[in-house]
Order: sequence, then C-alpha cells, then structure tokens
Amino acid sequence: GNSVTQMEGPVTLSEEAFLTINCTYTATGYPSLFWYVQYPGEGLQLLLKATKADDKGSNKGFEATYRKETTSFHLEKGSVQVSDSAVYFCALRGTQGGSEKLVFGKGTKLTVNP
Amino acid sequence: DAGVIQSPRHEVTEMGQEVTLRCKPISGHNSLFWYRQTMMRGLELLIYFNNNVPIDDSGMPEDRFSAKMPNASFSTLKIQPSEPRDSAVYFCASSSLLAGADTQYFGPGTRLTVL
Repeated sequence: GNSVTQMEGPVTLSEEAFLTINCTYTATGYPSLFWYVQYPGEGLQLLLKATKADDKGSNKGFEATYRKETTSFHLEKGSVQVSDSAVYFCALRGTQGGSEKLVFGKGTKLTVNP
Repeated sequence: DAGVIQSPRHEVTEMGQEVTLRCKPISGHNSLFWYRQTMMRGLELLIYFNNNVPIDDSGMPEDRFSAKMPNASFSTLKIQPSEPRDSAVYFCASSSLLAGADTQYFGPGTRLTVL
C-alpha cells in the first residue's frame, strides 16, 4: 500500500538557519505529494503541493521538488523564522480508484529559536 | 469565507458516556473526512464521505464509533460508549475534486478527553 516516511523530530534551529525535512514515499503510479503545516492549537493547513514528477511546489519561502527517481519530496527553506515553528506533515494522494484519501507521515516538529 | 467548522472545540466526558462531534464542511465541497490525532499514532483517517455517502470506513476503530452525513453541510462522529483511550484531537476536513482542487481543508479540531 501507499506510505510516507519523514524524518523523526524534533528539529531545533536558530533563526535564519537552513531547513531540510526529508520525506520519502512508496506508491504505485504517480501520486500527488503535499506538505501540510500545523501551528499550535490549530488544524493542518496546506503549505505546498506537487502533482507530477519534477514539479516544484513553493509557498512562504518553502520549497519541495517531486523526485520520482528517488521517491522523495524533501521540504526546504533557506532562512527560517521563529514564526515557522510548527509541525510539518508530508502526505500523498494515490491515483488508484479515484481515491481522495491522503496518507500522512508522522509529522516533524520544528522549533526555531530567536 | 468560512472554513470548516467543528464543535465543540473541547469536550471532557466520563468513561461510558456518549460523545457527539460535529462538522460543517466548506460550502460546495463534496468530500468530507474525519481524522484522529494522538501522540502515539499520529494522524489517522477514520472515515470519509463523498456526496454524503461513506466511501471508506476502514479506519473506524470499532463498533463504538459511528459517523453520519445526513446532508452536504453537516456530519457527526459519535462515540458510544466512550473510553479513556479515545482521548485525542479529532479533525474534520473537506475537499472538492470536482472543482479541480485536491487540497483538503481542515477544521480547528475537537480536543476530546475521556476520564
């Protein structure tokens, strides 16, 4: 079945540091890939997505590139801010049977210190 | 625009009591999802509906859990009887593939504590 594996947290960085959160997936065909972010006390929000190989999703300074050859969708940001402190979830939506189900990774908690 | 609305935001109940969680999806969305989030198990999909019809309930833990969607603007998740291990944050999300958007929009969640 489809699955997502993302790096274990927590991750603690200083402001303006470079961020990478690794995400790899297992799926048949060409799934759509997503990064969601959850701020404290809130629901998940879509951060960015990519729907085909080599697509790059970007938003709020975050980027991720859909790499079919390595089945990866790593999240990066060049300079993090304290306000980026949150839990980040990698997710995929498969292409079989028209399913709308999202499969989520376990989440990576990011703390950015001033 | 109003997002996904969930009520109550917090619920504290005693073991054995019935709990009902409510969700109003975004207007025009035709898919609705119920998730449960715990520290131990992360985010789990419980059930999802398409056009008010349950499509996949394989994530519903057991017969104590039931979900309904009587119309396009309302869904409930019921736990009867509740147990301490049901304590979690329950999220509702909606989406609309027909609109060409496969993004799920999440509500703020209901934090359930079963004593």
